[in-house]
Amino acid sequence: AQTVTQSQPEMSVQEAETVTLSCTYDTSESDYYLFWYKQPPSRQMILVIRQEAYKQQNATENRFSVNFQKAAKSFSLKISDSQLGDAAMYFCAYRKDEKLTFGTGTRLTIIP
Amino acid sequence: GAVVSQHPSRVICKSGTSVKIECRSLDFQATTMFWYRQFPKQSLMLMATSNEGSKATYEQGVEKDKFLINHASLTLSTLTVTSAHPEDSSFYICSARDPLAGLKETQYFGPGTRLLVL
Repeated sequence: AQTVTQSQPEMSVQEAETVTLSCTYDTSESDYYLFWYKQPPSRQMILVIRQEAYKQQNATENRFSVNFQKAAKSFSLKISDSQLGDAAMYFCAYRKDEKLTFGTGTRLTIIP
Repeated sequence: GAVVSQHPSRVICKSGTSVKIECRSLDFQATTMFWYRQFPKQSLMLMATSNEGSKATYEQGVEKDKFLINHASLTLSTLTVTSAHPEDSSFYICSARDPLAGLKETQYFGPGTRLLVL
């Protein structure tokens, strides 16, 4: 079974600074998808960024980028120029054959 | 991205009653929808995969007779918690993917339903 590990239960960053959230996963597959979702206090899950495992190029989405290391099974999220609205729970997720497996989440606090 | 709605957003019921939660894809047709459960300060756990026109596929440990899923149309899936008990109190979230979208592998989530069983 696939497992997703987020080793940082909580992180904090100064507004306008950069923060990196870590995620590792375990799989024997070679073709899969990885996602970062954000869950603000409203609890609405919002897609932040996605990565296809067959692509070597790291995905970017405005201030959000990933460092995808397939051999190391690592998928970290970098948030640049952190904003107050970035405060939320962040979940890393692995997708194979329709199913999403989520990590335990990292609570990100933005310090004004 | 695609929009998924859920109704109701929160419900309080008495122990022993049944509660139905609706999940709708608003601007696309979803052949597959997913139901998750999230306990406070925990991650999302997949309960079942709902397939339009066929039986749902339940994850190990999820009682299919307790959590009835019906996916009668391409835009609607329902989760019925039968004979609810306090331990069923949780946050239930549905998701769906748009098979015709460019990001067809991406699941879009509803806003969730908070269930409290007294």
